Amino acid sequence: EVQLLESGGGLVQPGGSLRLSCAASGFTFRKYAMTWVRQAPGKGLEWVSTISGSGGGTYYADSVKGRFTISSDNSKNTLYLQMNILRAEDTAVYYCAKFGDGGYCYTDSCRGWFDPWGQGTLVTVSS
Amino acid sequence: DIQMTQSPSSLSASVGDRVTITCRASQGISNYLAWYQQKPGKVPNLLIYAASTLQSGVPSRFSGSGSGTDFTLTISSLQPEDVATYYCQKYNSAPLTFGGGTKVEIK
Repeated sequence: EVQLLESGGGLVQPGGSLRLSCAASGFTFRKYAMTWVRQAPGKGLEWVSTISGSGGGTYYADSVKGRFTISSDNSKNTLYLQMNILRAEDTAVYYCAKFGDGGYCYTDSCRGWFDPWGQGTLVTVSS
Repeated sequence: DIQMTQSPSSLSASVGDRVTITCRASQGISNYLAWYQQKPGKVPNLLIYAASTLQSGVPSRFSGSGSGTDFTLTISSLQPEDVATYYCQKYNSAPLTFGGGTKVEIK
């Protein structure tokens, strides 16, 4: 059974940093692209970032580009999201998700749906 | 970037009703479209991918159709457990944008 467990959320001041982790199990981690999706309180889903299985391709939403960095450690089966220069509008539940079977990455992007999702970790940016 | 627009943003229907949700892409995305269900307080769950392929374990009352720019999610007979917000998502290339969501309630 695929399991994804996020950690690292919490309260941080504007301008601060936080690193989220997503521990994966139940599948061959290095073979799948992984993604972060966030959901602000009472709002819809927003794609944040995706990384290819090899880690060689990374993709970001414009809203986080230059501030967030996605990475993965295939030896630890763990996905990360380093979040810097945090703003109030980054307040959200952050979910990690695995690309579904059939998803793949190519030269310029990754293509795939998200399944399954982790339980999420709440990040609150406030003074 | 391609925008994804869902309609309606909310709807109320009776148990047993046929419910249709629409998702429109601002440019063609072939069939690279997924639908998710998010029940209140829960994690999003994949319903459909490739516009019309039902994910394993999803009840057959759910179906998807469309290609190019116009897509629909249909619930053939609404059940109380279908109360949720439904999202479409394009996945042809980054950004992997979601629609704004459609909240489905029971009348």
